[in-house]
Amino acid sequence: DVVLTQTPPTLSATIGQSVSISCRSSQSLLDSDGDTYLNWLLQRPGQSPQLLIYSVSNLESGVPNRFSGSGSETDFTLKISGVEAEDLGVYYCMQATHAPLTFGSGTKLEIK
Amino acid sequence: QVTLKESGPGMLQPSKTLSLTCSFSGFSLSTSGMVVSWIRQPSGKSLEWLAAIDWDGDKYYNPSLKSRLTVSKDTSNTQVFLKITSVDIADTATYYCALGVRDWGQGVMVTVSS
Repeated sequence: DVVLTQTPPTLSATIGQSVSISCRSSQSLLDSDGDTYLNWLLQRPGQSPQLLIYSVSNLESGVPNRFSGSGSETDFTLKISGVEAEDLGVYYCMQATHAPLTFGSGTKLEIK
Repeated sequence: QVTLKESGPGMLQPSKTLSLTCSFSGFSLSTSGMVVSWIRQPSGKSLEWLAAIDWDGDKYYNPSLKSRLTVSKDTSNTQVFLKITSVDIADTATYYCALGVRDWGQGVMVTVSS
């Protein structure tokens, strides 16, 4: 199975601060169709996960543009440019290039 | 508007079979490209993909659990089911169904306890 390693495991930020989360894959996530199926999800406390970014850098509809994704092959980054209070929760990367789908261990974002 | 809702027994004993139902609206599972997955999350831990079924009836399983899992759908394509045999305390988790990775249900908590 593809192992996704997220760092840091926890992140403490003030409102307005910019932060980044790293996701490293044990295998290249570049699919034979040319796409890279690396997504980012946010799970707010007590809620289901919600999709933020799909295929590395595509912003899901309705998601604020302070969220951005980048990367390729095995190294990926989620950046929040100007954290807001509603951004607290656990961020997960997940891959859908290789079966079975797998998720990172999560990065908990706390607001100072 | 796509909505999914999971239902299950809440609690069951070790060695029993867990039966879960995902009831959905806002899309048809008979439409090409549609895939409904089951994913679980033990309390305080990350997510684990379990199984999926697509519009064509093809089924996909996590190899680590494949021998215990059965995913199916109803003929009206409005519900998807998951059965897990021989449950253990380690199967205690919140179980989600999801359409692709975009739309998730609220989850149903399942506790395995004697």
